Amino acid sequence: GAVVSQHPSRVICKSGTSVKIECRSLDFQATTMFWYRQFPKQSLMLMATSNEGSKATYEQGVEKDKFLINHASLTLSTLTVTSAHPEDSSFYICSARDPGLNLINEQFFGPGTRLTVL
Amino acid sequence: SQKIEQNSEALNIQEGKTATLTCNYTNYSPAYLQWYRQDPGRGPVFLLLIRENEKEKRKERLKVTFDTTLKQSLFHITASQPADSATYLCALPPGYSSASKIIFGSGTRLSIRP
Repeated sequence: GAVVSQHPSRVICKSGTSVKIECRSLDFQATTMFWYRQFPKQSLMLMATSNEGSKATYEQGVEKDKFLINHASLTLSTLTVTSAHPEDSSFYICSARDPGLNLINEQFFGPGTRLTVL
Repeated sequence: SQKIEQNSEALNIQEGKTATLTCNYTNYSPAYLQWYRQDPGRGPVFLLLIRENEKEKRKERLKVTFDTTLKQSLFHITASQPADSATYLCALPPGYSSASKIIFGSGTRLSIRP
C-alpha cells in the first residue's frame, strides 16, 4: 500500500518556540492531505485539510494562525505550530489519499509526531 | 453535524472467541463507513470500508456489517488472537459535501487474553 512518512517522530521544545512537522507521501502524489491531533486515550480530531497549491481548510475551532499549513508540492505538507505552549503538546498525525490507487476514500496515515512543549 | 459513538471504551475477551465492536452514528446516513486499527504511539491503519449499499464485507478473519436503518456498523474479529489487541476506530465522512475527509469515533480498546 501507499506509504506516508512524518518527520520528526518526536520533538521537545520550549514554550514560545515554533515547531515544523513534515508529512510526505513516499510513493504517490497526494493532492490532499489531512492533519489530525490526538490527546492521550482520545480519538483523532481532524484539524485541517491541506490542499496542494491552495490554502488549507481548517476545522471549526482550529486557529489557522496558530497551526500553519503549507502544501507546496504533491508529496509534502508541513504543519508549523507557532509559539507553542504546553497545551499544544499532543500526538500529531497526517494522512493522505492516493487517487491513483482507485481506493475510494481510503486514507494512509503517517506514523505520527509526538510534540512535547515544556 | 455527524456524531459517532463507539459504545465500549474497552473490551476484554478470551483468545479464540469472536470480538464484536459497535459503531453508531446519528444524523444523516453516510455514503460509506471505515474501520481502522491503531496501535499505541502509531498512526491508524486502514482495515475495511463498507458502502451504504453493502450489508456486509469480509476480509480474512474480519467482518463488517452496515445497517443504515439502525445507523450502526458492527465489526467482528473471529478466532481472535493476542496480536489483535489494539484500538479499533470507526470513521465516516462528516457530511454529504465532505466526501474526502473523515471523522473518527472515540475508539474501542480491544484486549485479547491468552
